[in-house]
Amino acid sequence: QQQVKQSPQSLIVQKGGISIINCAYENTAFDYFPWYQQFPGKGPALLIAIRPDVSEKKEGRFTISFNKSAKQFSLHIMDSQPGDSATYFCAASQRNAGKSTFGDGTTLTVKP
Amino acid sequence: NAGVTQTPKFRVLKTGQSMTLLCAQDMNHEYMYWYRQDPGMGLRLIHYSVGEGTTAKGEVPDGYNVSRLKKQNFLLGLESAAPSQTSVYFCASRTSQETQYFGPGTRLLVL
Repeated sequence: QQQVKQSPQSLIVQKGGISIINCAYENTAFDYFPWYQQFPGKGPALLIAIRPDVSEKKEGRFTISFNKSAKQFSLHIMDSQPGDSATYFCAASQRNAGKSTFGDGTTLTVKP
Repeated sequence: NAGVTQTPKFRVLKTGQSMTLLCAQDMNHEYMYWYRQDPGMGLRLIHYSVGEGTTAKGEVPDGYNVSRLKKQNFLLGLESAAPSQTSVYFCASRTSQETQYFGPGTRLLVL
């Protein structure tokens, strides 16, 4: 049973455009929602994260939008750059539960 | 700080051979994890540990064993490798905060 569904599987965006990746979760006990960025040949690394007490968090060009009632959250990349080309994973976890649940990943390609 | 390191970086095994993957972290993290990553399937949790001397099964534990004898190390063992275990293996660690720190990965090819 997949508890976090991520879409789309792949995304192609022109330089300067907006990239949007969506995730939906089922477990209402989740209380931490990070996004990880993974470049080819590297391990994933935390990009940005949000807790359900806020509806939006922005760090530079990256924004998480969170909709608690719909059990959905999304990553928005403004002014997308070729250097943003990577695989992005959403995740969800419950405080002190020991493990996280990851989405299947989205491969983003930003064309120059 | 080196963060999370993994040994080896790449390995080729024949079917039936055994091997151990080593993960080490120097951040004094309590929690450690082993994932495998296959194309189109994201990160799948194999085993994890919530502290020294503890281990627990993840979603794909069959064919793997783990040990956490020291807080800083988490070993993943394959007793009899199979071609289906060809994958990229990532180790991760974290504190009580939920952010996981990943290692650089180990590429394993089983022939």
